[in-house]
Amino acid sequence: DAGVTQSPTHLIKTRGQQVTLRCSPKSGHDTVSWYQQALGQGPQFIFQYYEEEERQRGNFPDRFSGHQFPNYSSELNVNALLLGDSALYLCASSFGTLNTGELFFGEGSRLTVL
Amino acid sequence: QQQVKQSPQSLIVQKGGISIINCAYENTAFDYFPWYQQFPGKGPALLIAIRPDVSEKKEGRFTISFNKSAKQFSLHIMDSQPGDSATYFCAASKGTGFQKLVFGTGTRLLVSP
Repeated sequence: DAGVTQSPTHLIKTRGQQVTLRCSPKSGHDTVSWYQQALGQGPQFIFQYYEEEERQRGNFPDRFSGHQFPNYSSELNVNALLLGDSALYLCASSFGTLNTGELFFGEGSRLTVL
Repeated sequence: QQQVKQSPQSLIVQKGGISIINCAYENTAFDYFPWYQQFPGKGPALLIAIRPDVSEKKEGRFTISFNKSAKQFSLHIMDSQPGDSATYFCAASKGTGFQKLVFGTGTRLLVSP
């Protein structure tokens, strides 16, 4: 049973560029959330997708956008990259709308912005 | 705005000792309090969780104590082992529906052999 898979694992971009990160949820899960984890900090909620729609959004600018596909996989896009966007981006999956708290996280995509 | 405050930032415990990590929250609407364990290079993994209808939950060597009136909860790791060395995050969420976790800042635990 594959867990949450993310790609790429590491990437380096320069300021002003755009990046796309990808996530495949755990088998049987249909809800995908994205979190940003800065070095030495706890993860911060970016947004959540269910039934191909953004359902909740954290305190992140519009430069952060996402998408969910019919197979439940998801993408996170960040435009006009800033140095402060350097972080580990975590994808988490869960099933439906139940607030069970059982979020399953991937290993993350580490983005470095130079 | 930090809604979940976690302490200490780092902790060193001898093998066999008890590790204690504390968290405090502000939002009384929070009704779910999980703890996550994160090893270097890995994503967080759910360790144990509690809801405010109980004051304590134990799973193996891990125990959550919850004090609703004080808006505090803590993680106790009994008989700490070197393999427990990791970063631990408390978190909280509220209401029903889609899960949105608010995390603490993390505690880096080192268990010395």
